Amino acid sequence: GQNIDQPTEMTATEGAIVQINCTYQTSGFNGLFWYQQHAGEAPTFLSYNVLDGLEEKGRFSSFLSRSKGYSYLLLKELQMKDSASYLCAVADSNYQLIWGAGTKLIIKP
Amino acid sequence: GAVVSQHPSRVICKSGTSVKIECRSLDFQATTMFWYRQFPKQSLMLMATSNEGSKATYEQGVEKDKFLINHASLTLSTLTVTSAHPEDSSFYICSARGGGDYNEQFFGPGTRLTVL
Repeated sequence: GQNIDQPTEMTATEGAIVQINCTYQTSGFNGLFWYQQHAGEAPTFLSYNVLDGLEEKGRFSSFLSRSKGYSYLLLKELQMKDSASYLCAVADSNYQLIWGAGTKLIIKP
Repeated sequence: GAVVSQHPSRVICKSGTSVKIECRSLDFQATTMFWYRQFPKQSLMLMATSNEGSKATYEQGVEKDKFLINHASLTLSTLTVTSAHPEDSSFYICSARGGGDYNEQFFGPGTRLTVL
């Protein structure tokens, strides 16, 4: 079956760095997405990885290892507004998105 | 980035009535649109995938006669919840694909449905 695993909840301190991991097992792979979702709002696109390596975009970076079925989202210089759920999703062989359950990130002052 | 609108943002209705939710891609043509449902503190659940001009593909367990989807144009899809009941109360979110560099989905702001 298809499966996306990510931690349910993480806590970090304002100004610090946090890494949210995602492991996946899917039928085919056409890229991995990270989305941010604030409570009561729709998800917003953060990043896309289809090749191995690190993609950096401002304070956010995303890493992919296809051989390991593994990705992480790295958030630097954390701000209170980064408190949200972070969703990992993989596009399978049919380009259908398989969604993880999301990681709720709590930022403390 | 590409913009997707959704209307209404909130709706409260009586049990047994039908509710229509509209999803529009404002600045791009969406080849595919998706409808999700999200219950509190849970992840997104894909309900159906629709391509313009063809019938929607429903996920297992989603009743196609209860959740009617119409994708009449490349910029508009509608979801009608027929004979809504309190258990249909949820956050309904549409997304559209076709306007990004990575084939990513762009989400509408969501519709919070409350059935009394």
